[in-house]
Amino acid sequence: GESVGLHLPTLSVQEGDNSIINCAYSNSASDYFIWYKQESGKGPQFIIDIRSNMDKRQGQRVTVLLNKTVKHLSLQIAATQPGDSAVYFCAEKTSGTYKYIFGTGTRLKVLA
Amino acid sequence: DARVTQTPRDKVTEMGQEVTMRCQPILGHNTVFWYRQTMMQGLELLAYFRNRAPLDDSGMPKDRFSAEMPDATLATLKIQPSEPRDSAVYFCASGSMGLAGVTGELFFGEGSRLTVL
Repeated sequence: GESVGLHLPTLSVQEGDNSIINCAYSNSASDYFIWYKQESGKGPQFIIDIRSNMDKRQGQRVTVLLNKTVKHLSLQIAATQPGDSAVYFCAEKTSGTYKYIFGTGTRLKVLA
Repeated sequence: DARVTQTPRDKVTEMGQEVTMRCQPILGHNTVFWYRQTMMQGLELLAYFRNRAPLDDSGMPKDRFSAEMPDATLATLKIQPSEPRDSAVYFCASGSMGLAGVTGELFFGEGSRLTVL
């Protein structure tokens, strides 16, 4: 079944194009950020993380950008594939705690 | 293949009944989280433990929910009595966390889907 439903923002991209998913966070005391991918009926899976002392981190086909000035996080997926279709969540951790708070999520649809 | 294991995967119950969800964290992980996911609220943090001690359960309705870690290999989330508004997918996650400031990813289980009629 669906993990999160009707009220999610949706990003539709053509297969092979690049995707950019955005996340605004609220706590200036957050010191660690993670992007997760959630497929229908499954638990969230780790994609990439970044600490607050960095502004960019790259993985395989993914890049996370952090702008602390405007409290904004983005996930870039290069050459988007059908298997990338999922809901993507950003999570932030409050400094000095182990408290991970998740954003509302964005649904990515990859069009063939 | 280390993974977080949750049981039951699906549970349908009637209002007023007690529900217990169980989680086996990844061996060696010292921090365990319970999240609830609904269409309207997304992923909400209910409670979390470090080294089996509850650190924060402020996200949990105290009158009917309780979370415990009887030992390092088992975390439980109990709802008594259950209500229709508790219907959701409940996720357990675990991680290996050092002192605050030394962090890492959370590993999620597949979730327990609860339906309260």
